Amino acid sequence: SQQGEEDPQALSIQEGENATMNCSYKTSINNLQWYRQNSGRGLVHLILIRSNEREKHSGRLRVTLDTSKKSSSLLITASRAADTASYFCATRGSTLGRLYFGRGTQLTVWP
Amino acid sequence: GAGVSQSPRYKVTKRGQDVTLRCDPISSHATLYWYQQALGQGPEFLTYFNYEAQPDKSGLPSDRFSAERPEGSISTLTIQRTEQRDSAMYRCASSLLSNTGELFFGEGSRLTVL
Repeated sequence: SQQGEEDPQALSIQEGENATMNCSYKTSINNLQWYRQNSGRGLVHLILIRSNEREKHSGRLRVTLDTSKKSSSLLITASRAADTASYFCATRGSTLGRLYFGRGTQLTVWP
Repeated sequence: GAGVSQSPRYKVTKRGQDVTLRCDPISSHATLYWYQQALGQGPEFLTYFNYEAQPDKSGLPSDRFSAERPEGSISTLTIQRTEQRDSAMYRCASSLLSNTGELFFGEGSRLTVL
């Protein structure tokens, strides 16, 4: 079973627009991570936010975490066609070890 | 090695046959994970290793699935008496430590059971 659930399942935008994806989870976490996957390739780590952090930035990425609502959001600003991919949130629980992935958001950026 | 390497990249087998998939993690990484990913879904956790220890194998779907990492580096995932429902992408990932940090994924092994 997967702990994280991304919303929306699919998102289609024009280049230059911002893309926002949300993730909800069920149990307490140690950290939450976002990964990108291009068309069946391996997953690539984007950013990690710890449970005691509320916001984190990396280049055009901005991640927020609200532990009271058990939710996170990933914002990609000024999107590019090359950002087209599936985006997954993954949670690591307090017992550590395993990392749970959600079902992903398929982002399509049109040139 | 420079990255996580998996082999074979593609495996087609007949129902009832055994298959073994191999993962060569990043050399400095203590922790190794196996995931199963169906088309259009997120990776489902199978098991993980800290060096040669296997603290959690609760994600293995049945006793036909087993994994080893005998020397704390290369790992194998074996599926005995394969069934059509075992068809999926099997992904290996490694990380420096099990309690923090990012996972580095290989390109995966696609298994098709006919």
